[in-house]
Amino acid sequence: AQSVTQPDIHITVSEGASLELRCNYSYGATPYLFWYVQSPGQGLQLLLKYFSGDTLVQGIKGFEAEFKRSQSSFNLRKPSVHWSDAAEYFCAAFPKLTGGGNKLTFGTGTQLKVEL
Amino acid sequence: EPEVTQTPSHQVTQMGQEVILRCVPISNHLYFYWYRQILGQKVEFLVSFYNNEISEKSEIFDDQFSVERPDGSNFTLKIRSTKLEDSAMYFCASSSRMRGGGTEAFFGQGTRLTVV
Repeated sequence: AQSVTQPDIHITVSEGASLELRCNYSYGATPYLFWYVQSPGQGLQLLLKYFSGDTLVQGIKGFEAEFKRSQSSFNLRKPSVHWSDAAEYFCAAFPKLTGGGNKLTFGTGTQLKVEL
Repeated sequence: EPEVTQTPSHQVTQMGQEVILRCVPISNHLYFYWYRQILGQKVEFLVSFYNNEISEKSEIFDDQFSVERPDGSNFTLKIRSTKLEDSAMYFCASSSRMRGGGTEAFFGQGTRLTVV
């Protein structure tokens, strides 16, 4: 079955420290991959996406993610975290192939806390 | 910047009542989705809609639920007889396309449904 896994439920980092949020996917073929951020009580904002090509993708707010086919991973990174980055982060995938479904599947989310 | 608009932002309803959640997708988009997020849990797919019909639905989307695009701009989710467990944040999303070159889904800010 198609799935997206975010192994870390909660992560706490100090402001200014680097951040890596993990995401693994299980699909028959590499899907389209996304990272969304959700602030408390808010909607989902797209941070970045990977469709094909360069495996390191840049997003908004200084985030980047690296696609690694060999590890079925799409980890989100930020070199220096700001207090305003505290939020919940969702990795998501959409199948590329016809017959693979027509829905975006989300991971369970990682809650990021930033210590000042 | 175009955006997906959802109304109302918060709805409280009594158990057994019918509710209609409304969404205005981005105007040139062709694919429409409803997702829900029970408090503290992951974002779950409910249904996708294309060319005026449901293209995929999850097991959550039973006979209690229905969707329609009544006037070419609005996209609605109806819950016929609400249950306590329907309390959740409901997100509408739209995309121009996902296959063969793909694009991301744009999400609305959500409607928080509280069933009492």
